[in-house]
Amino acid sequence: RKEVEQDPGPFNVPEGATVAFNCTYSNSASQSFFWYRQDCRKEPKLLMSVYSSGNEDGRFTAQLNRASQYISLLIRDSKLSDSATYLCVVNPHSNDYKLSFGAGTTVTVRA
Amino acid sequence: DVKVTQSSRYLVKRTGEKVFLECVQDMDHENMFWYRQDPGLGLRLIYFSYDVKMKEKGDIPEGYSVSREKKERFSLILESASTNQTSMYLCASSLTGYSYGYTFGSGTRLTVV
Repeated sequence: RKEVEQDPGPFNVPEGATVAFNCTYSNSASQSFFWYRQDCRKEPKLLMSVYSSGNEDGRFTAQLNRASQYISLLIRDSKLSDSATYLCVVNPHSNDYKLSFGAGTTVTVRA
Repeated sequence: DVKVTQSSRYLVKRTGEKVFLECVQDMDHENMFWYRQDPGLGLRLIYFSYDVKMKEKGDIPEGYSVSREKKERFSLILESASTNQTSMYLCASSLTGYSYGYTFGSGTRLTVV
């Protein structure tokens, strides 16, 4: 079983729509959680960390559900520039700092 | 602006060549990582390092080696390049601590012909 699993999508949404997607992780002892954004043929960039209480950054909201072992990302009022692949990232280890990356969820926002 | 710099954006090498990919970070990060990224396979960890002269194998170390002689520099070496090593190579660095994510370099797209 993969450590981090994501729905690859693609999610095709119109501008202004809300889009949400989840990822699941296998290790209940996982320490930290992140969402990264990756544009086509570019490097991944940190979008936001995910905290137990949930957190919001502008139009982006991340939630963590430890009981069900998933994290979610919600994008409100989608912009064309939100089109990207979103990587779910988890630190599943208790004794080192290697991160495990999901394969990514592709979001395409259309005009 | 903090940075992870990879020496080449695009590289074309011949089968059997020894290939060096260089990565330098200016953030005084302890940890450095080399990944490759292929369509449908996501990011796969090749090697990582927690300290100078220290290295540990990741998930796919075969055919690769690394060197970390200075804290800011982490080199990936393809001992004898093969066509199945054609890929996007991404270097990353991080501070020590669970709350820290990685900062990635802009990647090197390597083609082995």
